[in-house]
Amino acid sequence: EAGVVQSPRYKIIEKKQPVAFWCNPISGHNTLYWYLQNLGQGPELLIRYENEEAVDDSQLPKDRFSAERLKGVDSTLKIQPAELGDSAVYLCASSPTGRGGEQFFGPGTRLTVL
Amino acid sequence: LAKTTQPISMDSYEGQEVNITCSHNNIATNDYITWYQQFPSQGPRFIIQGYKTKVTNEVASLFIPADRKSSTLSLPRVSLSDTAVYYCLVGDIGSGNTGKLIFGQGTTLQVKP
Repeated sequence: EAGVVQSPRYKIIEKKQPVAFWCNPISGHNTLYWYLQNLGQGPELLIRYENEEAVDDSQLPKDRFSAERLKGVDSTLKIQPAELGDSAVYLCASSPTGRGGEQFFGPGTRLTVL
Repeated sequence: LAKTTQPISMDSYEGQEVNITCSHNNIATNDYITWYQQFPSQGPRFIIQGYKTKVTNEVASLFIPADRKSSTLSLPRVSLSDTAVYYCLVGDIGSGNTGKLIFGQGTTLQVKP
């Protein structure tokens, strides 16, 4: 079974530039999560989807961050414009609906904003 | 949401049993306890989950006392490859709620030869 796929793995951009991250969850997993992880810290939830509906986006900085999961499968997280403080690892995870607790994480995208 | 407290770091030697304790004094009735492992440059990986008493799987055991205010992850006979960060999470994972889980700082386990 293929795991959660994320791309790109690494991204370096100048501040004020836009950037997008893509995630393809495990087939059949209806729940999708985006997390942000700063160095030395645990992941912080940005947004959670149930199919195509964002059911928890309370931690998403909506002035510059946006996300979509149009067909309830893959998802895109965008930052526009990026700031220096956005440098972090962006993790995507998925889980089957109704099976709480066990989330399957992708390898993450390491973003560096210069 | 219940806050968790765990040691920042631990050292061990190969072949030893390692016990990592997590404190969660404000755990709610519907909350489960979940542990994840994370290696550098990888996403976290689920290890084990429990509600009360003891849970065991092929890689670890989870001990939860009756008051559920703490839990202990036990790793038997660790090897160098068990060097990682271990996160304790507490949250309601009931039907329809697939995880408002909050990761803390985690415990960095260093296994030495």
